[in-house]
Amino acid sequence: GQNIDQPTEMTATEGAIVQINCTYQTSGFNGLFWYQQHAGEAPTFLSYNVLDGLEEKGRFSSFLSRSKGYSYLLLKELQMKDSASYLCAVSRGGYNKLIFGAGTRLAVHP
Amino acid sequence: EAGVAQSPRYKIIEKRQSVAFWCNPISGHATLYWYQQILGQGPKLLIQFQNNGVVDDSQLPKDRFSAERLKGVDSTLKIQPAKLEDSAVYLCASSPLSRLAGDHYEQYFGPGTRLTVT
Repeated sequence: GQNIDQPTEMTATEGAIVQINCTYQTSGFNGLFWYQQHAGEAPTFLSYNVLDGLEEKGRFSSFLSRSKGYSYLLLKELQMKDSASYLCAVSRGGYNKLIFGAGTRLAVHP
Repeated sequence: EAGVAQSPRYKIIEKRQSVAFWCNPISGHATLYWYQQILGQGPKLLIQFQNNGVVDDSQLPKDRFSAERLKGVDSTLKIQPAKLEDSAVYLCASSPLSRLAGDHYEQYFGPGTRLTVT
């Protein structure tokens, strides 16, 4: 079967750095996506990792270790608008099916 | 470029009634997805179309849910009859055609339809 685990909630201070972890177990792994979802809105794409290592994109970075079944999303210089749910999703199989985790709800406070 | 369009945005029905949702994907996107997102959970794939063919419907409750994508463009998802546990947001997403496993094609999501079954 497949299993994706990420913390349910996290809090952080404006201007700080936060790391959201995701562990997964799945067959037919292709790559790993991170999506951001503000309350009441649709998910929007943040990053995609297919190879081991760190992908950096502005204030956001994502890391993948395929051998450990582990990824993290790193958010730097936190802003209030970063308060949202962050969804870890594994792409698997020949048609790149996405399996989403339950999401981590991040609250950024002043 | 126009995004993924969905309608209606909100729907309230009584259990055992039927309901239909409509989705128009981004122009040129061959792959279309329907997801169910229950409050506090991540989206769960219900069905995935590649052009007008189904490539995955393993988690679609086929006794009550049906979906079609005629002409390989827009799509409808129907629930008949609805149950209380169907209360959720139904998200439609689209992406370009995936030819190889591991193709990096992000999915673009529509605003969703919030369904409440009473």
